[in-house]
Amino acid sequence: NAGVTQTPKFQVLKTGQSMTLQCAQDMNHEYMSWYRQDPGMGLRLIHYSVGAGITDQGEVPNGYNVSRSTTEDFPLRLLSAAPSQTSVYFCASRSTGNGETQYFGPGTRLLVL
Amino acid sequence: QQQVKQSPQSLIVQKGGISIINCAYENTAFDYFPWYQQFPGKGPALLIAIRPDVSEKKEGRFTISFNKSAKQFSLHIMDSQPGDSATYFCAASDYGQNFVFGPGTRLSVLP
Repeated sequence: NAGVTQTPKFQVLKTGQSMTLQCAQDMNHEYMSWYRQDPGMGLRLIHYSVGAGITDQGEVPNGYNVSRSTTEDFPLRLLSAAPSQTSVYFCASRSTGNGETQYFGPGTRLLVL
Repeated sequence: QQQVKQSPQSLIVQKGGISIINCAYENTAFDYFPWYQQFPGKGPALLIAIRPDVSEKKEGRFTISFNKSAKQFSLHIMDSQPGDSATYFCAASDYGQNFVFGPGTRLSVLP
């Protein structure tokens, strides 16, 4: 199993540009989520999905869109990049249920100029 | 009420010493408390987790102590090694719902 994979590893954008961060998992997990990690702030939930066709907002959803057309894939879209979105983005997946281990991808480092 | 507080922000320990990281929460609905370890350039990985029905859980050199009445839990790393140098995050979730993370502790273990 590859686990949780993310592409790209690093991206530079100009303000106003759009892009999609890709996330895929091969563990047949129902639950997938996107976090951003900023210094001193831990990981903050952007969006999550409990299954194909179902998505919901997390703590910091503004400026981001998601969709879940398959169990395996959960892309994160930046509609119009802003410098405040400079961060490291992590995708995670787990089985639903209480206490299931959450697996993280390797992250995408995004710089918005 | 969803916040998880974590301290210290950074920690320097000599090889062989004990590293202690503390976390506190407000939401009494939280019922699952994992600790994650993150190395530079990598995603967080589950280290150890505890439920509030026990006061302590030990896995090798890593121990979680849990105080339900104080709404606090801590990670103890015994015989700390340079390879333990990483950032540690505590987290909490309620009934398998979304996780709330602490801000992280950067641990440096000196050889």
